[in-house]
Amino acid sequence: EVHLVESGGGLVKPGGSLRLSCVASGFTFSSYTMNWVRQAPGKGLEWVSLISSSSNIIYYADSLKGRFTVSRDNAKNSLYLHVNSLRAEDTAVYYCAREINDYGDYRRFDPWGQGTLVTVSS
Amino acid sequence: DIQLTQSPSFLSASVGDRVTITCRASQGISSYLAWYQQKPGKAPKLLIYTASTLQSGVPSRFSGSGSGTEFTLTISSLQPEDFATYYCQQLNSYPRTFGQGTKVEIK
Repeated sequence: EVHLVESGGGLVKPGGSLRLSCVASGFTFSSYTMNWVRQAPGKGLEWVSLISSSSNIIYYADSLKGRFTVSRDNAKNSLYLHVNSLRAEDTAVYYCAREINDYGDYRRFDPWGQGTLVTVSS
Repeated sequence: DIQLTQSPSFLSASVGDRVTITCRASQGISSYLAWYQQKPGKAPKLLIYTASTLQSGVPSRFSGSGSGTEFTLTISSLQPEDFATYYCQQLNSYPRTFGQGTKVEIK
């Protein structure tokens, strides 16, 4: 079964840092582009970042550039998001999601992990 | 960035009702649109991709249509388990933006 499990969230003070992890199983992780999406409490989904299968293509949401860094370790089937200089508005559940792109079409995010909660508060 | 606007943001409906949600893109996105369902405390679940392709395992009462800038998600006969929030997402370009969501509640 295809599965994604996030970890690394928690309570952090403003200005602090965290490293979020996402471990994949049930598929060939090294063949897929991966994404991070976040959701603030009671709000909608916000795309955060993307990293291609070989890490040669990386994108970030404009509002997060410079503070967030995405990486992956294909040998460990793992995706990471380093989040720095955290602010109260970064409080959210952070999801990882596999991007499927069959033949250049049929694009979608599936599956999603269960999410990890980051709370930024003093 | 491509903006997606869903309407309505909230709708109240009864079991058995036909429900339609619209998603409009600020510029053409071909058919690169997906729909997700999210229940409280859960991760989003893929329903439809490439505007009209039903994800495996998703009931056939869900359908999608559209291309270019206007898309719809239709639930032909609303079931109790369908009360949730629905999001559209464009995958034509980066960033992979989402609509603001449509919450479907029991009337």
